[in-house]
Amino acid sequence: GAVVSQHPSWVICKSGTSVKIECRSLDFQATTMFWYRQFPKQSLMLMATSNEGSKATYEQGVEKDKFLINHASLTLSTLTVTSAHPEDSSFYICSARAASGIAEQFFGPGTRLTVL
Amino acid sequence: KQEVTQIPAALSVPEGENLVLNCSFTDSAIYNLQWFRQDPGKGLTSLLLIQSSQREQTSGRLNASLDKSSGRSTLYIAASQPGDSATYLCAGGEYNFNKFYFGSGTKLNVKP
Repeated sequence: GAVVSQHPSWVICKSGTSVKIECRSLDFQATTMFWYRQFPKQSLMLMATSNEGSKATYEQGVEKDKFLINHASLTLSTLTVTSAHPEDSSFYICSARAASGIAEQFFGPGTRLTVL
Repeated sequence: KQEVTQIPAALSVPEGENLVLNCSFTDSAIYNLQWFRQDPGKGLTSLLLIQSSQREQTSGRLNASLDKSSGRSTLYIAASQPGDSATYLCAGGEYNFNKFYFGSGTKLNVKP
């Protein structure tokens, strides 16, 4: 149980295009999902916290207009990188927390974004 | 702002050795702590979770402890194996896992 998936697992795009990454909780309902970014040889940095049905809360220094987060249902959150640039190339990982009961975060396998 | 330090940054040991990885937090008010393993280019694999009422967790050859008074955690790996080679990340969580703060990791290489 407690499986989180991400799609796509990797994506290559041209500079200036937008990319959408999906995060799904497969066997539980997630009221809260978290988006992290990991640069090469660095640790995970929390980008934003999204609660189902409300606006995401962004960490300091993260541009909310560039990284659009939608959490429209209890099993799906999306991160859209708008007008991507090479410096946005990174490993993006989501995590999800169950609606009730277990408060632990469960992590997805990550999405590798490369912007040319 | 919470900052997490992991020592050492890298470690290379021969197979069979017992080893200790360290993690410390600038703000000792950690509610939960979790150790993860990350293989190159992959996501996170949860190893051990220490919840608010706990001080220690064990799973197989792994043992993790948390000293909340000092904001320090250790991951003990017994009888290391080449398959243990990976980057190990610790992460401290606020109340109810609202936020996780990750360390920069310890890259472990276990030589056959």
